[in-house]
Amino acid sequence: DAGVIQSPRHEVTEMGQEVTLRCKPISGHDYLFWYRQTMMRGLELLIYFNNNVPIDDSGMPEDRFSAKMPNASFSTLKIQPSEPRDSAVYFCASGLAGGRDEQFFGPGTRLTVL
Amino acid sequence: QKEVEQNSGPLSVPEGAIASLNCTYSDRGSQSFFWYRQYSGKSPELIMFIYSNGDKEDGRFTAQLNKASQYVSLLIRDSQPSDSATYLCAVRYTNAGKSTFGDGTTLTVKP
Repeated sequence: DAGVIQSPRHEVTEMGQEVTLRCKPISGHDYLFWYRQTMMRGLELLIYFNNNVPIDDSGMPEDRFSAKMPNASFSTLKIQPSEPRDSAVYFCASGLAGGRDEQFFGPGTRLTVL
Repeated sequence: QKEVEQNSGPLSVPEGAIASLNCTYSDRGSQSFFWYRQYSGKSPELIMFIYSNGDKEDGRFTAQLNKASQYVSLLIRDSQPSDSATYLCAVRYTNAGKSTFGDGTTLTVKP
């Protein structure tokens, strides 16, 4: 398996622009997680899905952030409008219920908002 | 108080020494405990998991869990420069699909 795939790997945008991050989980996994990592705040869980249904979005910082999972093989995280404080590395991870509860992380998207 | 706390770093040990990384958690309902390693510029990867009290060994790595004290640790024996990374402790609560991560401890192993 190719592992969790994220795109783009790097994104540089200007304040106010819309940003869409994409994730393809490992085939067969039923959990999908979106994280944000910064030096100041560490690894923060933004939202997670189980069988394509959002379960907990309490980590989503504000209404500018939204996430969707239209099917088992694709998810998006959108920021509109983007702000400089959104600059971070965004990780997508997937996992399988009933296993070791391990999460497999994608390579991340490094977002820079100017 | 954070839900998962790790000893503040950075931690520096000489090559060949034992590195000890510690983690405490606040929720007694926690069931699963994980150690992830994250190299600079890379994504976290699982290196150890433990569910029961006691020790679990895997090669040079030993995870120790004490649920009464709400404490989990990771020991790295015969530390190598390639072990230099940030180590993240993660805790999964009963019936929860998600895990909560600590802030991580950065380990440097000096040749």
